Amino acid sequence: DSGVTQTPKHLITATGQRVTLRCSPRSGDLSVYWYQQSLDQGLQFLIQYYNGEERAKGNILERFSAQQFPDLHSELNLSSLELGDSALYFCASGRGRATDTQYFGPGTRLTVL
Amino acid sequence: GENVEQHPSTLSVQEGDSAVIKCTYSDSASNYFPWYKQELGKGPQLIIDIRSNVGEKKDQRIAVTLNKTAKHFSLHITETQPEDSAVYFCAASNPQGAQKLVFGQGTRLTINP
Repeated sequence: DSGVTQTPKHLITATGQRVTLRCSPRSGDLSVYWYQQSLDQGLQFLIQYYNGEERAKGNILERFSAQQFPDLHSELNLSSLELGDSALYFCASGRGRATDTQYFGPGTRLTVL
Repeated sequence: GENVEQHPSTLSVQEGDSAVIKCTYSDSASNYFPWYKQELGKGPQLIIDIRSNVGEKKDQRIAVTLNKTAKHFSLHITETQPEDSAVYFCAASNPQGAQKLVFGQGTRLTINP
């Protein structure tokens, strides 16, 4: 158990809908990273937050957004969902702003029908 | 940006034998190289990491070697056991920016009893 929690574990929804994925980092960690894992693209970095502020962006679609709250939990919002958004979404947490050691949560499996 | 290539994509070894997985990276500024193990239905688990100021690191049956000149690093697992069966991912990160991890495509390791 990495200490990173994610909810829900599974999410099934329809095209065009919007969903919110939630992540709680390990105790003491200030950074949260979001990654998408799909069969064709592998593990891809989406976005990082540090202590409530956006720190870096990867290949995150404009339909996706995230935020980190004062209690340091983070939410990833996915809107106007398409079939191709079906994937595993992981968050990872790290100690500092430019931390390299990252611990991953169990993930949320999103299925868009 | 950084690109990480991982080989082989699948690897099957007899229990007790050694397994080696290799990765190459493109960005000479990358300085942190973790390895993750992902079991079915779980998030990636950090198993060992190495920084660019070190050539080799060992932790019991697992070792990682780094060749900065050639820009490649390898994971070595000795005395393999059935519980080592999983997908293994290498990654690299750059000190500039947010230390996002760029992952290889993964190696599915199967240990045959």
